[in-house]
Amino acid sequence: KNEVEQSPQNLTAQEGEFITINCSYSVGISALHWLQQHPGGGIVSLFMLSSGKKKHGRLIATINIQEKHSSLHITASHPRDSAVYICAVKKGGNTDKLIFGTGTRLQVFP
Amino acid sequence: KAGVTQTPRYLIKTRGQQVTLSCSPISGHRSVSWYQQTPGQGLQFLFEYFSETQRNKGNFPGRFSGRQFSNSRSEMNVSTLELGDSALYLCASSSGSGTDTQYFGPGTRLTVL
Repeated sequence: KNEVEQSPQNLTAQEGEFITINCSYSVGISALHWLQQHPGGGIVSLFMLSSGKKKHGRLIATINIQEKHSSLHITASHPRDSAVYICAVKKGGNTDKLIFGTGTRLQVFP
Repeated sequence: KAGVTQTPRYLIKTRGQQVTLSCSPISGHRSVSWYQQTPGQGLQFLFEYFSETQRNKGNFPGRFSGRQFSNSRSEMNVSTLELGDSALYLCASSSGSGTDTQYFGPGTRLTVL
């Protein structure tokens, strides 16, 4: 079993819909990252969380440390949000090593 | 500030050859991590360098090696290339404190024929 599981694997939505992507992990972590990858490969870090909730524009990320679960929400989705969203966790210690989920491919249609 | 840069962006090699990929971190960043992304295995951690020292290593064979220079630039080398080494190789940099986010480069797409 993977240490980081994401769901769903694929997601299609109509423009304007509210989207939720889930991430569960089975190891102790010091931080959780949500990453966005567009076709062509470039990865952008959206959030780094160790507790609670963060918001940036239409994106909201939450984490529940006790339940080992995080969610990424996109409000008022737009076709430019179409990308692969990847959850990654960092275990404790002085390291940047990330363990990745398999990603969620999101397509938003106009 | 300039972002993380990787060279070359695309590379085609044949089995048995070796390859060297380069990563220049954001100015002031002292940590560079390398990752391999394939359709089958997804993203996997290769190794991490901080102040010219390997701080952590993933579960890859010894054909994969790396180093970091005094200016924090890093290189990774893959010797005796195999077809399965075809992948997108990404590097990411951070301050190295362990609490900062990482900034990813655009990647080097390696194709092994």
